[in-house]
Amino acid sequence: NAGVTQTPKFRILKIGQSMTLQCTQDMNHNYMYWYRQDPGMGLKLIYYSVGAGITDKGEVPNGYNVSRSTTEDFPLRLELAAPSQTSVYFCASKGGQGATGELFFGEGSRLTVL
Amino acid sequence: AQRVTQPEKLLSVFKGAPVELKCNYSYSGSPELFWYVQYSRQRLQLLLRHISRESIKGFTADLNKGETSFHLKKPFAQEEDSAMYYCALSGGSSNTGKLIFGQGTTLQVKP
Repeated sequence: NAGVTQTPKFRILKIGQSMTLQCTQDMNHNYMYWYRQDPGMGLKLIYYSVGAGITDKGEVPNGYNVSRSTTEDFPLRLELAAPSQTSVYFCASKGGQGATGELFFGEGSRLTVL
Repeated sequence: AQRVTQPEKLLSVFKGAPVELKCNYSYSGSPELFWYVQYSRQRLQLLLRHISRESIKGFTADLNKGETSFHLKKPFAQEEDSAMYYCALSGGSSNTGKLIFGQGTTLQVKP
């Protein structure tokens, strides 16, 4: 099992450009999450999904969009990149039901907006 | 409001010294608490969770509901323990499994 795979690992964007961060998992997990990690701020939840076709906003959703057409994939879209979106983005998935259970993380995608 | 606070950004100790990484939380119900660790150039991974009451790599953490704390402890630090440690909380009636993370503490174990 590859677990949770994120691409790209690194990307530099210009202000106003758009891009999609890809996330796929091969564990048949229903729950998937996107977090951003900023120095001294910990991880903040951007969006999450409890199953295919279902998504919801997290703590910091502005400037982002997601979709969940399949169980495996949970892409994160940045429509108009801004310097404030410079961060490291982590995708995670979880099996089972409810609040219990371990989150499995991808390796992260480091995005710089100039 | 749900919140997790890790008051120390950096904790530096010598090898063999005891370690305590502090974590306090704010939550009105019965939370589930976790510690996640991120070693250099590795992905974030679960270290331990309070419901398991287990010791992983010599680390333990006890949930103290009276003090709303979940401090991570190890009696004798090793150099390979150097990493970023995050305390996280899961709760709420929505059962979405989403975690609220603290700000993280970098543990530096010096030789």
